[in-house]
This record gives sequence, C-alpha cells and structure tokens, in this order.
Amino acid sequence: GAVVSQHPSWVICKSGTSVKIECRSLDFQATTMFWYRQFPKQSLMLMATSNEGSKATYEQGVEKDKFLINHASLTLSTLTVTSAHPEDSSFYICSARLQGYYGYTFGSGTRLTVV
Amino acid sequence: GENVEQHPSTLSVQEGDSAVIKCTYSDSASNYFPWYKQELGKRPQLIIDIRSNVGEKKDQRIAVTLNKTAKHFSLHITETQPEDSAVYFCASKGNDMRFGAGTRLTVKP
Repeated sequence: GAVVSQHPSWVICKSGTSVKIECRSLDFQATTMFWYRQFPKQSLMLMATSNEGSKATYEQGVEKDKFLINHASLTLSTLTVTSAHPEDSSFYICSARLQGYYGYTFGSGTRLTVV
Repeated sequence: GENVEQHPSTLSVQEGDSAVIKCTYSDSASNYFPWYKQELGKRPQLIIDIRSNVGEKKDQRIAVTLNKTAKHFSLHITETQPEDSAVYFCASKGNDMRFGAGTRLTVKP
C-alpha cells in the first residue's frame, strides 16, 4: 500500500516551454504532498509543501510563479515548471504520507532536461 | 529552514565490515527520523525509521540510534554486502521533512 505514482518519469523540453509533473496517491488520500528537487550527486531539497484545497507553501528562494503547484484533490498534486530554462534541469520528486502512518512514500521521480 | 548535517559524505568498507553514518539536526520540534537508500536514478527507499520517543531500533542488519538531547542520530549497518552500496540519506521531520546531504557507501567485495 501507500503508492505514489509520478508521471512522466522523464521529459525533455525546449527553453521557454512549460512542463507539468503529476503525482497521484493510488491507494490512500494525501492531504499533504511534498515536492523536492535533486541535482546530480546532491541531496533532496524541499521546494514546496502542497495541501489539498489551499495554496502551497514555498521554501525560501523557490519562485512560486515559476513552479506552480496545484493540489486540487486528495489524490492528485501537480507541479508545473513554467518558462523552463536549462538551469531548471533536475530530478523532481514528490512525497506523501499515509494518514496515520509515520512513513513517507516517494514518487518515482521525473528527470527534466531543458534544452 | 532547519538544517540536517550528515557525515561522512563518502564511506568505503570491506564486505562484512560495519558502516556507520551520523546525522545531526537543529529543529527541536523534530519527532521523526527516517533513513533512505537511493540507488542511481531511482526514488529514495525507506530502510528504517525511528520516532523521538525511542532511543534505538533494529531491523536485521540495520539499526538506528537517536540521542534527542544531543540532537543526533546514527545508522548502523552490520555485515555489509556489495548490494548495500548506494547513497544513504538521513532525514528529520518537524514541520517539514529535511534531508541530510547524503553518504555514498561503497562495499568492496
């Protein structure tokens, strides 16, 4: 149980275009979803926390107008990278917690390459 | 945000030896401390976790210890095997989940 499905697993896009990443909790309701970014050989850096039905909370230094997060339902959260640039190329991964369970489940991650 | 420091950044051991990775945290509100193993290009996998009301937890060859007073916790892997080679991340959960920088463990056969 407690599976988070993330799509796409990889995407290549041109500079200036937007890319949407989806995370779905398949067998539980995720009231909170965490979005992380991971550069090569580095740790996971928290970008934002999304709560179902409310605005996301962004970490300092993360542009909320560039990284749009929507958490419209208890099973779906999306991250849209708008006007992508090569420096946005990274591994993006979501994480959610099954209510009543202490552990956190990660999506499989999305490798974004902006050319 | 609150920091989690992790040491060492790289660790190489001989098969069968033990490996120890240490983390310190600064958020006094932290009450949950998971450890993740991440293989190249894959999602982090939870290998063991500990809550703040427990000082030690063991699962076969893996153990975690927590010292709340000193705000540090450690991962211990005994009888290491080549398949233990990966990057290990500690994390601390207060209001948010914060990760350490990671330790690249290499187990030499």
